[in-house]
Amino acid sequence: GDSVTQMEGPVTLSEEAFLTINCTYTATGYPSLFWYVQYPGEGLQLLLKATKADDKGSNKGFEATYRKETTSFHLEKGSVQVSDSAVYFCALIANTGFQKLVFGTGTRLLVSP
Amino acid sequence: NAGVTQTPKFQVLKTGQSMTLQCAQDMNHNSMYWYRQDPGMGLRLIYYSASEGTTDKGEVPNGYNVSRLNKREFSLRLESAAPSQTSVYFCASIKGQGAAETQYFGPGTRLLVL
Repeated sequence: GDSVTQMEGPVTLSEEAFLTINCTYTATGYPSLFWYVQYPGEGLQLLLKATKADDKGSNKGFEATYRKETTSFHLEKGSVQVSDSAVYFCALIANTGFQKLVFGTGTRLLVSP
Repeated sequence: NAGVTQTPKFQVLKTGQSMTLQCAQDMNHNSMYWYRQDPGMGLRLIYYSASEGTTDKGEVPNGYNVSRLNKREFSLRLESAAPSQTSVYFCASIKGQGAAETQYFGPGTRLLVL
């Protein structure tokens, strides 16, 4: 079945450090890929998405590129802020059948001043 | 637009009690979902409704029932709560069927079963 694998956290960084959170997927066909962010005590919000190979999603300084050859969608940010502290979820929707989001387990990011 | 709303925000139940989690969306979305979130396991789909009048099981449906009351509302019922159902429950909705569509999430209901 479809699945998403994320790096385990927590990821602990100092402010202005470079961030990478790895995400790989297994899916039939060509899924759409998403990164969601969950701030403490809140629901999930879409951060960015990419719907086909080589697409780059970007938002709020975060970027991720859909790499079909490596089945990856790694999240990056050049300079993190304390306010980026949250849990980040990689997810996919397969392009076959009913559209159900399949989530990774989430990666907690902690940014210190 | 309020987006996706959920009630209650927090609930404590004793084992064997029943309760209904309410979800409503005001975005005229066709499809709605119920997820549970547990530490280290991400979000797992409990039930979904592709359109008004239809419901289907997701990955972890045992112990739950759902009702798609109308296009706006999708409720989740626990008939006899168990400690294993202690979790955070999220409702979500999506407008269409395209894989590029964004799911919108409610703020969650935190449930503790003693």
